Amino acid sequence: DIVMTQTPLSSPVTLGQPASISCRSSQSLVHSDGNTYLSWLQQRPGQPPRLLIYKISNRFSGVPDRFSGSGAGTDFTLKISRVEAEDVGVYYCMQATQFPWTFGQGTKVEIK
Amino acid sequence: EVQLVESGGGLVQPGRSLRLSCAASGFTFDDYAMHWVRQAPGKGLEWVSGISWNSGSIGYADSVKGRFTISRDNAKNSLYLQMNSLRAEDTALYYCASLGGYGGAFDIWGQGTMVTVSS
Repeated sequence: DIVMTQTPLSSPVTLGQPASISCRSSQSLVHSDGNTYLSWLQQRPGQPPRLLIYKISNRFSGVPDRFSGSGAGTDFTLKISRVEAEDVGVYYCMQATQFPWTFGQGTKVEIK
Repeated sequence: EVQLVESGGGLVQPGRSLRLSCAASGFTFDDYAMHWVRQAPGKGLEWVSGISWNSGSIGYADSVKGRFTISRDNAKNSLYLQMNSLRAEDTALYYCASLGGYGGAFDIWGQGTMVTVSS
């Protein structure tokens, strides 16, 4: 199975400041079709997960442009350019390149 | 409104069975693959099972293989998860999620249904 490792596991951030989350996979996420199926999800307290980013860097509909994704191969990053109060929650990366699909452990973003 | 609504969760004894349902509305259900993802209390997300739009392709996590069966009824816009031989470690909030046309990403999630396995 592909292991997804996120760092940090906790990220206290000052409002208006940037935040960055790293996600590394135990093997390349490049699919045989040439796509890289790496997505990012946000889970606010008491809510189901919500899709933010798909295929590394594509923002899902309605996602603010302060969220951005980047990376390639085995190394990926989610950045929040200026953290707002509504961004508090746990962020997960997920790979859908190889079954079983796997998630990172989650990174908790909280306000300092 | 695009929506997924799970039902069927509850408290069940170890070794017993439970059937979860997920009702879809607001989108063309039979266009998309559907999946189950679970979350144990206070823990992260775990992919459980997925089924293609026409039920031609099905997959399971090793932790549930041989015990859980996923199915769908496109005429009823519904997804199911038959869970047999339940164990304490199956205790979790079970979400259904759709795999829309966004490249291996779950674009629609339900609110989840809680399954508790305990004697």
